[in-house]
Amino acid sequence: DTAVSQTPKYLVTQMGNDKSIKCEQNLGHDTMYWYKQDSKKFLKIMFSYNNKELIINETVPNRFSPKSPDKAHLNLHINSLELGDSAVYFCASSQGEGLPKQRETQYFGPGTRLLVL
Amino acid sequence: SQQGEEDPQALSIQEGENATMNCSYKTSINNLQWYRQNSGRGLVHLILIRSNEREKHSGRLRVTLDTSKKSSSLLITASRAADTASYFCATAPFGGGYNKLIFGAGTRLAVHP
Repeated sequence: DTAVSQTPKYLVTQMGNDKSIKCEQNLGHDTMYWYKQDSKKFLKIMFSYNNKELIINETVPNRFSPKSPDKAHLNLHINSLELGDSAVYFCASSQGEGLPKQRETQYFGPGTRLLVL
Repeated sequence: SQQGEEDPQALSIQEGENATMNCSYKTSINNLQWYRQNSGRGLVHLILIRSNEREKHSGRLRVTLDTSKKSSSLLITASRAADTASYFCATAPFGGGYNKLIFGAGTRLAVHP
């Protein structure tokens, strides 16, 4: 059973297109995240939702819009894709309540490799 | 700039040897975590150490934290080929909430049979 899953795994698209990446977790967690990992492997948080409410919104172009239809899903929609958007996007989740260690440990999905041509 | 910075950027050792990776950060933290990423995969949580702790162990892993120097180290003892991966430290900055992790760029570890 996959704990945090993302679709698609690979995404190749043209500049200017709009695309979405989906994420689902079956861990019963309340908090979900989107990270971007660039070509130098540097991982940076983009957004976080807790129970469908946005709690972290880093300095990200407004072409990126997260949507959380329920606490098990966090999707990422990207408008007007640019070359610099090429990266690996990771979804993650963590428990919203419980022991501190349970809240602080994040579980990552396998990543979506986005290539903008 | 990024909060965590790992050193070295790359490390190549033989099976059975120990591997030590270091992480430095800039601001006060609630906790520091180490994650592993196998090639083409997501990150996997290894170990968490709190700001009031100095050392933690988990199997072959040993993590130390020196808050006065704002640094941490991850030691993998008796390394195996399966330990080949990138290792990232991540800090939860003090006052930033426990959700917001700041990652470094990682250390790429290669363990040769």
